[in-house]
Amino acid sequence: AQSVTQLDSQVPVFEEAPVELRCNYSSSVSVYLFWYVQYPNQGLQLLLKYLSGSTLVESINGFEAEFNKSQTSFHLRKPSVHIIDTAEYFCAVTNNAGNMLTFGGGTRLMVKP
Amino acid sequence: DTGVSQNPRHKITKRGQNVTFRCDPISEHNRLYWYRQTLGQGPEFLTYFQNEAQLEKSRLLSDRFSAERPKGSFSTLEIQRTEQGDSAMYLCASSLSRGQGGGNEQFFGPGTRLTVL
Repeated sequence: AQSVTQLDSQVPVFEEAPVELRCNYSSSVSVYLFWYVQYPNQGLQLLLKYLSGSTLVESINGFEAEFNKSQTSFHLRKPSVHIIDTAEYFCAVTNNAGNMLTFGGGTRLMVKP
Repeated sequence: DTGVSQNPRHKITKRGQNVTFRCDPISEHNRLYWYRQTLGQGPEFLTYFQNEAQLEKSRLLSDRFSAERPKGSFSTLEIQRTEQGDSAMYLCASSLSRGQGGGNEQFFGPGTRLTVL
């Protein structure tokens, strides 16, 4: 069985400040890790994913996440956030079969001017 | 490619009625998934298909829930005898599995919001 914990349900931050959204997972098998973003009134979109190789993965809009196997974490970071980053962020895992995603409860990032 | 589409976008029904939702995946995608998302929670997996075969359905919430994908293209999710606790957003996703295991990206539709009165 797999589970995902997102420790912060809401993260308020000022524009241009750095941010970290935390994600921890548990699994008895190897996993693939994902961050999805849900902008207001829109569907879920993939932000970035870790499959194998380099433990640091990046998105096209400046987010990055690092897979830490020893700490079973996949925290999402951005050095400088913008108003348009305001959204709900979901961490998710799947196993090698890829037949289902297990999501965390989500973190609402609120960027204030 | 217009992405994953779901109809209707909103459904209001009375308790005890049956409802059916439709999902049209991205055309070349062979896998189709259904999830449920309640307010303030992450999506919860319900079931998935590879082509027309339903390969996992043990996570369907009760025997009132059923899903079909008769020709391996669109899918329907039916809830019989709806209850107020069924009120949620029902999400559909699709992916192309080429034997890459769990690395296939799932593309999500906008969801169908169900309200049971």
